[in-house]
Amino acid sequence: DVKVTQSSRYLVKRTGEKVFLECVQDMDHENMFWYRQDPGLGLRLIYFSYDVKMKEKGDIPEGYSVSREKKERFSLILESASTNQTSMYLCASSQNRAEQYFGPGTRLTVT
Amino acid sequence: GQSLEQPSEVTAVEGAIVQINCTYQTSGFYGLSWYQQHDGGAPTFLSYNALDGLEETGRFSSFLSRSDSYGYLLLQELQMKDSASYFCAVRATYNQGGKLIFGQGTELSVKP
Repeated sequence: DVKVTQSSRYLVKRTGEKVFLECVQDMDHENMFWYRQDPGLGLRLIYFSYDVKMKEKGDIPEGYSVSREKKERFSLILESASTNQTSMYLCASSQNRAEQYFGPGTRLTVT
Repeated sequence: GQSLEQPSEVTAVEGAIVQINCTYQTSGFYGLSWYQQHDGGAPTFLSYNALDGLEETGRFSSFLSRSDSYGYLLLQELQMKDSASYFCAVRATYNQGGKLIFGQGTELSVKP
């Protein structure tokens, strides 16, 4: 079974803090994705990566950056957290098919 | 722009059949996927249609008409555990690592 894990289920940070969200997959997938999910807006793609050290902007990259130093790990970074970044963050991985495997999510609250 | 439209809510009774529609407007099209997400859980993959027609997987079926830019998810013999949000998603590019565009989701409530 594919397993995608995220470092925290719940996180509370203060405005202006630097926040790291970690995602690890164990199936040697090429592709990894970061989404945020907000009520009524579905899943919106922040960044994705199709190879180590490669990254591409998704639909809402502003205020975020990513890092992929190893194939199994994809990190999302909020350089200076703001209250409008309070959301559920979902990581996913895939191997060039339509099926993406999601992690359990991190609910981030920025106060 | 690129957009997917699906109803925000659907209600049905246990044992019934329900259809969740999805229409899309995207710059390219390589397939339509469906995902299920229970409250507090992660989205899980249900089905994928790259070609026109019906794909059946147990109680769930998914249909695609590329000429109409339209697809649907059909759930039969509804059970209480089917209460969840259902998302359609389009693969709009061939490369870019299987990037998907998601709809806003349909919340299905199954009543006894």
